[in-house]
Amino acid sequence: RKEVEQDPGPFNVPEGATVAFNCTYSNSASQSFFWYRQDCRKEPKLLMSVYSSGNEDGRFTAQLNRASQYISLLIRDSKLSDSATYLCVNSNFNKFYFGSGTKLNVKP
Amino acid sequence: DAGVIQSPRHEVTEMGQEVTLRCKPISGHDYLFWYRQTMMRGLELLIYFNNNVPIDDSGMPEDRFSAKMPNASFSTLKIQPSEPRDSAVYFCASSLGQGAGSYGYTFGSGTRLTVV
Repeated sequence: RKEVEQDPGPFNVPEGATVAFNCTYSNSASQSFFWYRQDCRKEPKLLMSVYSSGNEDGRFTAQLNRASQYISLLIRDSKLSDSATYLCVNSNFNKFYFGSGTKLNVKP
Repeated sequence: DAGVIQSPRHEVTEMGQEVTLRCKPISGHDYLFWYRQTMMRGLELLIYFNNNVPIDDSGMPEDRFSAKMPNASFSTLKIQPSEPRDSAVYFCASSLGQGAGSYGYTFGSGTRLTVV
């Protein structure tokens, strides 16, 4: 079983829409959680960390549910520039485990 | 800050040839990671170093792969001999601490390797 599972998508949404991705993880001992964004043919870049209490950064909100072992990312008021692949990441001790990513296409 | 610097950006080589990928981590970062990304398998951790010492190489696919970090500012990943199935994007990343804090990893731009 993979450490981190994501729906590959693609999620095709119109500009201005709200979209949410979920990601499940298998190791209950996972310590830290992140969302990374990867544009086509570019490197992954840290979007935001995910805190137990949930956290918000502008249009982006991340939530952690330890009981059900999933994290979520909510994007409000989608922009064309949000089109990318979103990678869910958890870390356990010294290792980061990346999901395969969820592709988002925001259309005019 | 120049970020994590990888070279070359692209590499095309013939099967059987030796390939060396290079990485300069962010100054002051004490962890360095090598990842490989393919469509089929996503991002896979190959090996990581802490203070120039290899800590976990369990992700290295086979003996054809080797990695070194002779000092805090330089690391290499070598494939010898290369095979077509090694074709992938190879990313180097560095972090301060294990990356479990708020900052995660910083990735280089990657080396796109094609073995023909």
